[in-house]
Amino acid sequence: AQTVTQSQPEMSVQEAETVTLSCTYDTSESNYYLFWYKQPPSRQMILVIRQEAYKQQNATENRFSVNFQKAAKSFSLKISDSQLGDTAMYFCAFMILTGANNLFFGTGTRLTVIP
Amino acid sequence: NAGVTQTPKFRILKIGQSMTLQCTQDMNHNYMYWYRQDPGMGLKLIYYSVGAGITDKGEVPNGYNVSRSTTEDFPLRLELAAPSQTSVYFCASSPRLAYEQYFGPGTRLTVT
Repeated sequence: AQTVTQSQPEMSVQEAETVTLSCTYDTSESNYYLFWYKQPPSRQMILVIRQEAYKQQNATENRFSVNFQKAAKSFSLKISDSQLGDTAMYFCAFMILTGANNLFFGTGTRLTVIP
Repeated sequence: NAGVTQTPKFRILKIGQSMTLQCTQDMNHNYMYWYRQDPGMGLKLIYYSVGAGITDKGEVPNGYNVSRSTTEDFPLRLELAAPSQTSVYFCASSPRLAYEQYFGPGTRLTVT
């Protein structure tokens, strides 16, 4: 079974500060991708960053970066210089590269950026 | 490009009624997906399609049906709606395997 665990239901951060969201996952597959999606109040799911499991280098995308620890099955998201527009639900997800290629999601972390 | 569009945005159904949630994408993507998001939870796969005429079940298919007669459209049919189907439904598409999925804005469905 594929599972994704986000142990922080809610977090807050001061504007311009840095925050890290945690994610662990469990799979017996060796080939997969990992994603962080953002869901603002508009409900739209927006891709933040993605990481291929075969790559050792951590992905970065502007103010967003990940800490991918494959042996520990950990995939945390760091947001630097937090902005008010970062306020949203953040979902960690992974995709195994067989079958439907569907995404398995965690339960989300609600992030609030405080002015 | 409009991307992935879904209609309606909101709907209230009575128990036992039926309805179809519409999903259309204009990106010529072969892969399309239906997910549901229950309150406080992540998304779970209902059905998916790898191309016109080909569909298959996901994690939570019971109570739903799909069809894929064209590349663009992937409607989700609810027969005999039940309160357990109260959820937000997302449609997504992807151009190929092992690639990002693009999501629609979702449909909030309440069954009372």
